[in-house]
Amino acid sequence: EVQLVESGGALVQPGGSLRLSCAASGFTLSSYWMSWVRQAPGKGLEWVANIKQDGSEKYYEDSVKGRFSISRDNAKNSLYLQMNSLRAEDTAVYYCARVYYDFWSGYYPQHWGQGTLVTVSS
Amino acid sequence: DIQMTQSPSTLSASVGDRVTLTCRASQSISSWLAWYQQKSGKAPKLLIYKASSLESGVPSRFSGSGSGTDFTLTISSLQPDDFATYYCQQYNTYSTWTFGQGTKVEIK
Repeated sequence: EVQLVESGGALVQPGGSLRLSCAASGFTLSSYWMSWVRQAPGKGLEWVANIKQDGSEKYYEDSVKGRFSISRDNAKNSLYLQMNSLRAEDTAVYYCARVYYDFWSGYYPQHWGQGTLVTVSS
Repeated sequence: DIQMTQSPSTLSASVGDRVTLTCRASQSISSWLAWYQQKSGKAPKLLIYKASSLESGVPSRFSGSGSGTDFTLTISSLQPDDFATYYCQQYNTYSTWTFGQGTKVEIK
């Protein structure tokens, strides 16, 4: 069974940093693109970042470029999101997701974790 | 950037109703569209991918259609478990994705 468990969410002051982790089990992490998606309280879903299987390609939503960094350690079955220069508008539940891909279906988030809450406030 | 617009924002319906949710892309995305269901406090659940393909394990009362810029999600007979918020998502490329703002399906 595919399981994704996020951790690391916390209350942090504006300008601070935080590192989120996502522990993957039930599948071989190195075979999949992975993604982070966030959801501000009472708001909709917002894509944050994607990373290729070997970490050689990374893509970010414009508002987090230069502040957030997605990475992975396939040997540890873990995905990460390093968040720097945090702002109040980064307050959200952050979900990690396993991306499905085949030539016919394309790339899309198929399996999601339960999320971890990041609150940016003084 | 591709913008996704869902309508209506809220839909009131009764058990047994046929409901249709709409999603429009600001430019053509071919059939690179997914639909998700989200219940309060829970993670999104994939329902439909490539505009009309039903994810494994999803009840057949859910169906998707459309291509290009206009898409629909239809629930043929609304069940109590279906009251939730539904999001569309374009995945025209793997380098940037966009979600719609969501449609909340509530009990009439």
